[in-house]
Amino acid sequence: KQEVTQIPAALSVPEGENLVLNCSFTDSAIYNLQWFRQDPGKGLTSLLLIQSSQREQTSGRLNASLDKSSGRSTLYIAASQPGDSATYLCANSGTYKYIFGTGTRLKVLA
Amino acid sequence: DAGVIQSPRHEVTEMGQEVTLRCKPISGHDYLFWYRQTMMRGLELLIYFNNNVPIDDSGMPEDRFSAKMPNASFSTLKIQPSEPRDSAVYFCASSRGAEYNSPLHFGNGTRLTVT
Repeated sequence: KQEVTQIPAALSVPEGENLVLNCSFTDSAIYNLQWFRQDPGKGLTSLLLIQSSQREQTSGRLNASLDKSSGRSTLYIAASQPGDSATYLCANSGTYKYIFGTGTRLKVLA
Repeated sequence: DAGVIQSPRHEVTEMGQEVTLRCKPISGHDYLFWYRQTMMRGLELLIYFNNNVPIDDSGMPEDRFSAKMPNASFSTLKIQPSEPRDSAVYFCASSRGAEYNSPLHFGNGTRLTVT
């Protein structure tokens, strides 16, 4: 059974810091890995999708990497801002369905 | 496109009542997923459909839960009878398919409270 773990569960940083969120998964037979953002009371918004053949994807201040052999992905946020405060979830797709981690709750302090 | 549309946004009901949650996926998306989110268990996959056919319902907690997709633009998740432990946020999501590396798009969810 595919399991997805995210560390840390919560993170509080001052504005301007660079930070790394971690995601690990047990099954490397995946199509892709997605990172999502969830604001309180809202649905999930897709941030980045890394195909299984790729090593990383970038969008603005966000960079996600994927290492299938070790079952790990990281989300790097550069120059964090208070508007980045949210819960970040990773999801691993294998056999067509997406399994989610429990998320990292990020708070960026002004 | 308007995105994935779920209704209602909030539902409050009494134990034992029937609850029906609705979802309209993004046009052209062949996969539809129902998830449940709670503080204790996070985001759990309940069931998913491909081309309107249920493929994997192993996440459906009990026979009280059922889901249908009568056509490509509509799906329902029904709970009958409802219980307080069913209280959660229920999300619907759609995608062209993981094999096409198509992102998963979520609706805003239905917050269900069973008293």
